[in-house]
Amino acid sequence: GAVVSQHPSWVICKSGTSVKIECRSLDFQATTMFWYRQFPKQSLMLMATSNEGSKATYEQGVEKDKFLINHASLTLSTLTVTSAHPEDSSFYICSVRQPNTEAFFGQGTRLTVV
Amino acid sequence: QKEVEQDPGPLSVPEGAIVSLNCTYSNSAFQYFMWYRQYSRKGPELLMYTYSSGNKEDGRFTAQVDKSSKYISLFIRDSQPSDSATYLCARPGGNFGNEKLTFGTGTRLTIIP
Repeated sequence: GAVVSQHPSWVICKSGTSVKIECRSLDFQATTMFWYRQFPKQSLMLMATSNEGSKATYEQGVEKDKFLINHASLTLSTLTVTSAHPEDSSFYICSVRQPNTEAFFGQGTRLTVV
Repeated sequence: QKEVEQDPGPLSVPEGAIVSLNCTYSNSAFQYFMWYRQYSRKGPELLMYTYSSGNKEDGRFTAQVDKSSKYISLFIRDSQPSDSATYLCARPGGNFGNEKLTFGTGTRLTIIP
């Protein structure tokens, strides 16, 4: 199956700063990647669909200007949390799906905004 | 109504017991379902996927879909402490194509040695 690498696995930042999270598909060229957010003891909620070479598609209620997604190549998508605030503290997970098969997830990034 | 609903638990059972995890879904047109396992502070990993009705078995794990009641289940036989994790049911947006997944809330399972 596809190997998905996410970096960093854990980050602490000050309120008001920006944080970039990388998601790499190591052995599969992914035209589409998905970004999820998971609050403690809650399920994964899709934030946006990252499309290689075009704009990301955001789910309802997700601010596109706050969560900037760039999918510049078939193996890399980045999520930048701009002007982070404590309420943005969460577990962010990316995934890739090969056509007609399962989704593979990164190991997640735990963001803590202080 | 949520597309996929799941009892969040937590659920604690003794080692060796049979575990039953369940989800319900809202749309009878849904055909594909997945079960993911997520260890603490890790990304989910696929356990099994099922299509339409019936059972699918893989080692100690059995996935079951009951379309008449819109109910999906995951059974774990001879449960082990290493099975302690959160289990998430999910459905794909399309017919198992390159679509997003919608997850249930997840059930936190603890196997007591």
